[in-house]
This record gives sequence, C-alpha cells and structure tokens, in this order.
Amino acid sequence: SAVISQKPSRDICQRGTSLTIQCQVDSQVTMMFWYRQQPGQSLTLIATANQGSEATYESGFVIDKFPISRPNLTFSTLTVSNMSPEDSSIYLCSVESWNYGYTFGSGTRLTVV
Amino acid sequence: QKEVEQNSGPLSVPEGAIASLNCTYSDRGSQSFFWYRQYSGKSPELIMFIYSNGDKEDGRFTAQLNKASQYVSLLIRDSQPSDSATYLCAVRRDNDMRFGAGTRLTVKP
Repeated sequence: SAVISQKPSRDICQRGTSLTIQCQVDSQVTMMFWYRQQPGQSLTLIATANQGSEATYESGFVIDKFPISRPNLTFSTLTVSNMSPEDSSIYLCSVESWNYGYTFGSGTRLTVV
Repeated sequence: QKEVEQNSGPLSVPEGAIASLNCTYSDRGSQSFFWYRQYSGKSPELIMFIYSNGDKEDGRFTAQLNKASQYVSLLIRDSQPSDSATYLCAVRRDNDMRFGAGTRLTVKP
C-alpha cells in the first residue's frame, strides 16, 4: 500500500487565521480524499481531490472554507480558512489501496483558540 | 437511520477471550467491507477486508459477512491488551466509502 506523509502533525492556531495541511504520497494516485474526525466521532469526508480538476466537496463543506490543491498525482493540500474553535479536529488525507480500502496519513490534530 | 451502525461500546473482554464486533449497513448495493483499527491519537489502519458472503480469516482476526442481513462482524481470537483500540467498520459502493462511528474495545490483562 501507498505511504502517505502528512504534515503538520499538530498545530494550535488563533481564530481567524488559516492553516494549510500537506499530504505527500510515495506513488501516483488518481484520487485523494480529505477527512475530518471530531473527538469521539467517526470520519467525515470533506472532499475528493482529483489531479487536474476542481475538488468535489461533500454536503456541508465549501471551497471557500476548505480550499484544496492537487498540483500533481502525488501531492495535495487542504487549507482550513478563517478558523473558529469549531474547526478543532483531526484532519486526515487518504488514498485508495489495492484492495479498494483506504490508506490514511498520520493526521493533523488542529486546535483553534 | 445511520448508513453504517456500530455499537459504540466500550466493549470489555479479558485477555485471551474472543472479542466480537458488529456492524450493520443500510445500502444493499454495498460491494466491499472493511475493518479499521484506530489507536488513540493515531490514524485508522486497515486490518481486514471482505467482499463475499462468509468468513475470511487472517491470523487472529476473522471477518464475517452476511449480505442478506446487511451485517458484517469482526472476531478477534485470543485478545491481547494491545488490541485495545477503536474499531471502525467501513462499507463501500463504487467510489463512496462510509464509516461507522466505531466500537471502543478494551482488553483487560
């Protein structure tokens, strides 16, 4: 399965600021997925990032708040914009594995104060 | 109705016992089924996948799928304290993957 490097691993940010999370994959992949996991809850898909096209956002998530870049087949970024304490969460990127499951990055633990 | 339902637990078993984790799903067209283990503060790690009805065994883990009942389970034999984690069930149809909220398992020495 692919190996994903995600950074930063954690950050504490002031409300109103933005944070960009990076994911680097060790192989070329068509789709990358960005998830949010709030404390004690399961994974919620934010958007699917395809190389060369606009990301596809799930209901409740908008591009202005969570802009995504996908400049090539091994890299993607997710920005959390104009942050509020409600954005405090773990953010995860993932890619599809050979068995149709997903492999996840190590996650970014974001705290907004 | 949630699309993928799991008992949140916590499920507590003694060391050496069999832990049984259950998951039901609502989409009859679901094609593939996954179990992830997530340690506290870590990202989910895929431990089992199953596509066809019946049992699939991998070491101490057995996944069971019953599509007619829309039910998938994970059995962990000879449970170890290191198995203490949250177990997420995931169900996929085409490019749509849905996760359950997870069951927290504690294995007591």
